[in-house]
Amino acid sequence: GESVGLHLPTLSVQEGDNSIINCAYSNSASDYFIWYKQESGKGPQFIIDIRSNMDKRQGQRVTVLLNKTVKHLSLQIAATQPGDSAVYFCAENPSNQGGKLIFGQGTELSVKP
Amino acid sequence: GAVVSQHPSWVICKSGTSVKIECRSLDFQATTMFWYRQFPKQSLMLMATSNEGSKATYEQGVEKDKFLINHASLTLSTLTVTSAHPEDSSFYICSASPSRAWAEAFFGQGTRLTVV
Repeated sequence: GESVGLHLPTLSVQEGDNSIINCAYSNSASDYFIWYKQESGKGPQFIIDIRSNMDKRQGQRVTVLLNKTVKHLSLQIAATQPGDSAVYFCAENPSNQGGKLIFGQGTELSVKP
Repeated sequence: GAVVSQHPSWVICKSGTSVKIECRSLDFQATTMFWYRQFPKQSLMLMATSNEGSKATYEQGVEKDKFLINHASLTLSTLTVTSAHPEDSSFYICSASPSRAWAEAFFGQGTRLTVV
């Protein structure tokens, strides 16, 4: 079934620290994963993606790690800034279903100045 | 590129009325669009897949007669919430994909629906 969200877990970090946000996905057949950032009242904003044939991908200040064995994704944000405060969602794309995304629970990141 | 626009950004309607939300891909053709619903402090839940020129595919538990989806062109999908009730108040978000082979989807800014 679809991911049904409970109330969001929260992560509070100090400005300048590194943040690690974790996500468990549900479908072992999923072959594409995306991390999104969502600010209040806005749609999801693409951060970084990774395909199932990779276990790590780096972007600017962000790194995504994929562990297919335990169906786990993580997003690492280096030198977290106040502007990074938002809700972060992982999403999985079931194989051969272009554009269809199943979202994880989400984590609310709060950055203290 | 890859801009998806939703209209309106917010809407307030009376209980029992219907409201239509538009989702447009501005700079690409979208063979497939998706509609999500998000309640406060919760994740996005996929409601339905909108296919250009054919019927939408609804997720389990979503009433197709209540949430009417039309995808009449390659750049426009509409979601009509019929006979809206306060429990339909939510944040509705659409996304669009250029093709079935394109895994990534591009999101609109969302529509806040409040039913009073």
